[in-house]
Amino acid sequence: DQQVKQNSPSLSVQEGRISILNCDYTNSMFDYFLWYKKYPAEGPTFLISISSIKDKNEDGRFTVFLNKSAKHLSLHIVPSQPGDSAVYFCAAKKLRGGSNYKLTFGKGTLLTVNP
Amino acid sequence: DAGITQSPRHKVTETGTPVTLRCHQTENHRYMYWYRQDPGHGLRLIHYSYGVKDTDKGEVSDGYSVSRSKTEDFLLTLESATSSQTSVYFCAITNRDGQSSSYEQYFGPGTRLTVT
Repeated sequence: DQQVKQNSPSLSVQEGRISILNCDYTNSMFDYFLWYKKYPAEGPTFLISISSIKDKNEDGRFTVFLNKSAKHLSLHIVPSQPGDSAVYFCAAKKLRGGSNYKLTFGKGTLLTVNP
Repeated sequence: DAGITQSPRHKVTETGTPVTLRCHQTENHRYMYWYRQDPGHGLRLIHYSYGVKDTDKGEVSDGYSVSRSKTEDFLLTLESATSSQTSVYFCAITNRDGQSSSYEQYFGPGTRLTVT
């Protein structure tokens, strides 16, 4: 049972335009969410996170939006750059329940930004 | 840079042989994790550790064991490697035990394992 879903395996956008990556979750116990970026042959790197007490968090070109009622979050990249081309993973964590800070990851979305 | 190294970075082994992957961290973080990444599956947790000699299973632990005899080292052992364990393995830490109030995990560079 996949608790964190990234339904788009890939996304292609033009340089300078907005990239929107989507993530859905099913477990209502999740209340902290993270996005990671992964280049080939490297480990994932943390990008941005959001707590469920917020509906938006912004860091430079990256903004994450959280819609708790829909159990949906999205990552917006504006403007997109060719260096943003990577696989993006959505992850979620249960803040309560002694989960030892484990993260549950989605399957990832490959973003390609074309010059 | 979270000071995480993994060794070896690449390994080819034969079915049935035991394999040990090493994760080393330099910052005395309490929590360490082993993941595997496979196409179509994302990152899946194999085992994790919450202290020296304290470990627990993740979602895909069958065929794997771990040990943590020192804070800085977390070893992943494939008891008898199978072709289905061909994957890229990542180690991660979280600095939740520090002053940080965040929950991010920081990943090592990965080990590409091929079982023939």
